[in-house]
Amino acid sequence: GDSVTQMEGPVTLSEEAFLTINCTYTATGYPSLFWYVQYPGEGLQLLLKATKADDKGSNKGFEATYRKETTSFHLEKGSVQVSDSAVYFCALSGRNSWGKFQFGAGTQVVVTP
Amino acid sequence: GAVVSQHPSRVICKSGTSVKIECRSLDFQATTMFWYRQFPKQSLMLMATSNEGSKATYEQGVEKDKFLINHASLTLSTLTVTSAHPEDSSFYICSARDTSGASSYNEQFFGPGTRLTVL
Repeated sequence: GDSVTQMEGPVTLSEEAFLTINCTYTATGYPSLFWYVQYPGEGLQLLLKATKADDKGSNKGFEATYRKETTSFHLEKGSVQVSDSAVYFCALSGRNSWGKFQFGAGTQVVVTP
Repeated sequence: GAVVSQHPSRVICKSGTSVKIECRSLDFQATTMFWYRQFPKQSLMLMATSNEGSKATYEQGVEKDKFLINHASLTLSTLTVTSAHPEDSSFYICSARDTSGASSYNEQFFGPGTRLTVL
């Protein structure tokens, strides 16, 4: 079945450092791919998405490109801020999944001043 | 944008009581909603798919008699944890699909979550 694998955390960075969180997936067909962010004690917020190969999702300085050849959707940000400290989830929704999501395990990011 | 609310945000109850959690889509209609459970520092586990006007579809291993789901209208789904016990303490999150066509077919909007603590 469909699955998502993302790098384990926590990832600790200094402010203004470059952030990469790896995400790879297994799915039949061409799923939609998402990155969600969860701040402490809150629900999930959509960060960005991509619905087909080579699409690049971007938002708030974060980017991720849908790479079909490597089945990956790595999240990147060039210069992180303390406010980016959160847990980041990679997710996919298969074409025939009736809207069900498969989530990765989540990666905690801690940005220090 | 599409907003999903949950009520209550926090609830503390005694063991053996039942707790109802509401999930509402505020500015769109949702024929399908999803209920997730999240343990501390873990990912979201899909519990069930809630379909308006029909029975919910539960994931393997989720007790349907313990976690009652009712999707009585296009904007409201409820999850009732019956005879709650301490092991049911968790963060429950709902999500909804906007089926009006305004959003991508597979996009889900998440509620802020409900923290349940069973004493």
